[in-house]
Amino acid sequence: DVKVTQSSRYLVKRTGEKVFLECVQDMDHENMFWYRQDPGLGLRLIYFSYDVKMKEKGDIPEGYSVSREKKERFSLILESASTNQTSMYLCASSLTGSLGEKLFFGSGTQLSVL
Amino acid sequence: GESVGLHLPTLSVQEGDNSIINCAYSNSASDYFIWYKQESGKGPQFIIDIRSNMDKRQGQRVTVLLNKTVKHLSLQIAATQPGDSAVYFCAARGGSNYKLTFGKGTLLTVNP
Repeated sequence: DVKVTQSSRYLVKRTGEKVFLECVQDMDHENMFWYRQDPGLGLRLIYFSYDVKMKEKGDIPEGYSVSREKKERFSLILESASTNQTSMYLCASSLTGSLGEKLFFGSGTQLSVL
Repeated sequence: GESVGLHLPTLSVQEGDNSIINCAYSNSASDYFIWYKQESGKGPQFIIDIRSNMDKRQGQRVTVLLNKTVKHLSLQIAATQPGDSAVYFCAARGGSNYKLTFGKGTLLTVNP
């Protein structure tokens, strides 16, 4: 089975802190994604990557950056956390050639920014 | 752009009944659709997918129906069990747009 592992289940950070959310997948998938999930808004795409060192903005990239130095690892960075970034963050991966198909999700990181 | 919406935010059924969760999409060029289940405290899990060249696809206790004429898809769960209680999302890929657009989810509650 595909496993997508997010390093933290819960995080509490202060406004202005730099925050790193880590994600690792073990199925040699080319594509990796970061979404945030908010009540009433569904899943919204922040960034995705289709190869090592490649990244593309999603629908809501403002306030975020990403890093993909190794194929299995995709990091989401909040340069200066703000309270409106309190959310559930979900990492996902998919097979080569299927950017818009079957995504495998991690368990999520619930981030609270105080 | 694509928008995807579920018809009902909540659905309550009795154990053993069949459940039907409905979803509408806006882009007639959408060519791929997928359903996810999300249990409390977990990430979304793949249930079933379907391409636009099909009308119906069956899995284990689940069936997805696609009606391209009215841009509607549904997820049917047979003999619903308490373990089926979760939020169910549909998502659509808008043709040449590679991205999946997700609906907001329907909370299914199964009463024993």
